[in-house]
Amino acid sequence: SQTIHQWPATLVQPVGSPLSLECTVEGTSNPNLYWYRQAAGRGLQLLFYSVGIGQISSEVPQNLSASRPQDRQFILSSKKLLLSDSGFYLCAQYLRSGTGANTEAFFGQGTRLTVV
Amino acid sequence: LAKTTQPISMDSYEGQEVNITCSHNNIATNDYITWYQQFPSQGPRFIIQGYKTKVTNEVASLFIPADRKSSTLSLPRVSLSDTAVYYCLVGDTYTGFQKLVFGTGTRLLVSP
Repeated sequence: SQTIHQWPATLVQPVGSPLSLECTVEGTSNPNLYWYRQAAGRGLQLLFYSVGIGQISSEVPQNLSASRPQDRQFILSSKKLLLSDSGFYLCAQYLRSGTGANTEAFFGQGTRLTVV
Repeated sequence: LAKTTQPISMDSYEGQEVNITCSHNNIATNDYITWYQQFPSQGPRFIIQGYKTKVTNEVASLFIPADRKSSTLSLPRVSLSDTAVYYCLVGDTYTGFQKLVFGTGTRLLVSP
């Protein structure tokens, strides 16, 4: 099974402070990794995805950034948080399939960030 | 990735069968159809995946017509614990759903 470690579970940060959320995954090497944000009552917004070490694709231009320093480590950062950065942040991994069948995404438990 | 369209919300009662349909008119030959379930304050979890015809597992069935332009997730005899948001995704699993974009999903509310 695929295990995703994501921490912390909850976080309260003042506006203008920095942010670092870390996600580490276990299991098969070279997974696709993702960061999502979900506002209250809303859908999942894809923020970043990575298909390999050092390879980051950004979906939403904003004050967030992501890095993948190791194969199974994905970090979400911000230099200065905004009130609008509040939300539920989820890390996910997706394993590429050579056969094209029965592959799925696995999600971490999420971090609830409140910017005050 | 093929764009998907689902109803925003559905209501049901315990014990009823619920069918949620997803439209994906631009589905490609190599695309699979995958459904996820999300409870509040949790990440989505995989329910079922299929390519064509019918797929059944212990929690749901997935019906895919011959033209594959839509799919229907069927939940038999729902219970209160099936209240959740259900997402339909369409993509090529060989390339790993690289962008893995979730739509707005269908919010299912099951009442007593």
